[in-house]
Amino acid sequence: GQQLNQSPQSMFIQEGEDVSMNCTSSSIFNTWLWYKQDPGEGPVLLIALYKAGELTSNGRLTAQFGITRKDSFLNISASIPSDVGIYFCAGVSPAGGTSYGKLTFGQGTILTVHP
Amino acid sequence: DAGVIQSPRHEVTEMGQEVTLRCKPISGHNSLFWYRQTMMRGLELLIYFNNNVPIDDSGMPEDRFSAKMPNASFSTLKIQPSEPRDSAVYFCASSLVGGDSPLHFGNGTRLTVT
Repeated sequence: GQQLNQSPQSMFIQEGEDVSMNCTSSSIFNTWLWYKQDPGEGPVLLIALYKAGELTSNGRLTAQFGITRKDSFLNISASIPSDVGIYFCAGVSPAGGTSYGKLTFGQGTILTVHP
Repeated sequence: DAGVIQSPRHEVTEMGQEVTLRCKPISGHNSLFWYRQTMMRGLELLIYFNNNVPIDDSGMPEDRFSAKMPNASFSTLKIQPSEPRDSAVYFCASSLVGGDSPLHFGNGTRLTVT
């Protein structure tokens, strides 16, 4: 099946630094999503991207849908301690012969921010 | 605005026992998903319902797992009999349009089978 390669697996940064993470796939996706998961909670949607080349911001977060439809990145500017958590990318494959496009998750990037 | 509600938050049971996890999706959402999260395998889709009908259950590990959605506001995931390798966090998620819309996750049920 489809797989998403998310990198890096973990990051240790100082408060105020910028962060960048990305996901790549060997297959194309119709939609890219970025989620954040805090300990003991479910993933929460940060940004949704629906069009190749799309660049979307949500506060200090910026994400882009790669022009090839096989990759996406998420940037966090001026990190703060509450940015700590696990960040997941997710891609929705074209529906094709099925009734829906299946959502595939990356393995996650664990972000630690030192004050 | 209530999100996806799952119960229980934690479940500890002995091998061989039946386990039932419950989910109430966001009101008005017509799609419901059950995921399992482990360190080794990450987030795995177990089953997807659309308008209360199971559409894709190819992720259900084996016959010990079953899921039902008797109405638009309730779903269960049952494991019978449970095994230690079933220990994981089980998430329910819902969305409005279909499988290609952003999912809204519940806070999960952490299952431990001893």
